[in-house]
This record gives sequence, C-alpha cells and structure tokens, in this order.
Amino acid sequence: GENVEQHPSTLSVQEGDSAVIKCTYSDSASNYFPWYKQELGKGPQLIIDIRSNVGEKKDQRIAVTLNKTAKHFSLHITETQPEDSAVYFCAASHQAGTALIFGKGTTLSVSS
Amino acid sequence: DAGVIQSPRHEVTEMGQEVTLRCKPISGHNSLFWYRQTMMRGLELLIYFNNNVPIDDSGMPEDRFSAKMPNASFSTLKIQPSEPRDSAVYFCASSPGQLHGYTFGSGTRLTVV
Repeated sequence: GENVEQHPSTLSVQEGDSAVIKCTYSDSASNYFPWYKQELGKGPQLIIDIRSNVGEKKDQRIAVTLNKTAKHFSLHITETQPEDSAVYFCAASHQAGTALIFGKGTTLSVSS
Repeated sequence: DAGVIQSPRHEVTEMGQEVTLRCKPISGHNSLFWYRQTMMRGLELLIYFNNNVPIDDSGMPEDRFSAKMPNASFSTLKIQPSEPRDSAVYFCASSPGQLHGYTFGSGTRLTVV
C-alpha cells in the first residue's frame, strides 16, 4: 500500500520568510496530492491540491510542486505570517478506490 | 452548509464501556472516511465508505471496532469494549468523489480511563 513520508517534523521561520515542506510517496500509481492545514482543536482543512497531470500549482502565497519521476511533492509558503502557524499534512491517493494516506505532519511556527 | 458534523466533541469513558461516535457528512458527498489521530501515529485511516458501502476496513485495529453507514446522511463508529489505548481524536471526513479533497469534521476527543 501507499506510504507517505513528510519532512521536516518541525519548522520555525521568521515572519516574511519562506517555508518549504517536502513529502515522498511510494505508490507510483498515486495521482492526487492534497495539502491540509490543521489549527489547534480543529480538523484538517484543505489548502491546495495537485493532480499528476500538473507539475506546479499556485494560489496566492501558497504553491505546490510535483515530481512524479522522483515521487516527491512540496509545499511552498512565501511571505509567511503568524497566522500560518499550524500543523501541515501532505497526503496521496490514486483513483482506484483508495483513500488518502497522510504524512505525519509538520508543525510550522512563524514568529514575528 | 454546516459542514461535516461530529458528535460528541469530547467523550470520557471507563475502560470496558461501549463508545459510539457519530458523523453527519455533507449532503451530496458520496464518500465518508473515519480517521484516528494520535501524536505517535498521526492520521490513520480506519475505514471508508462509498455510497454507504464499506470499501476498505483494513485500518480498523481489531474486532472491538465497528462502523456502519445506514444511510447517506449518517455514520457511526463503535468501540466495544473500549481500552485506554483507544484514547485519540477521531475524525470523520466526507468527499464528493475520487480525486477531490476531503472536508473534515471537528473531531471527537476520546479519553478512556
């Protein structure tokens, strides 16, 4: 089955800096890669996703890149703000009736 | 839309007792998922349903866990008997279909003492 590895487990940046979180997956059939943000006491919330027919996707300060050959994908947050502080999860699945498998999460702390 | 609704938000129970967690998915979403979150193991898939039918329950830890989806608007996750190691946050999520993001509920924090 699918296995998703996520790094780093914790990340501390200064406000205004960029943050990068990386994930690798094991199942070459996976073709859907979402990212979720979880704030304290809440459920994970989808922030951006990418499908395998696209190499990069951007939404304001957030971007995701995908390298299918290397089986890794990354989340990039630019101009970080204190409200970006949260736990971020990557996930992967493929169309053949499988559910999302999540990475272990990255705790991002943005200090002002 | 009220989103995915889970109840209760918090549950404290004694070891050996039966626990039932409830979930109402978003109307029109035909896939429903139960996940368990712990510090050590992260977000683990327990079971998921497609059109009310269980598709994959390989993540259910043991026979003490069972899940049902009697109709498109309601699902339950039952633990009987409960054990301290079942303490975790249990999330329900729903999705409109394959290759779509999930909407998670707020979770049920279960503590078994």
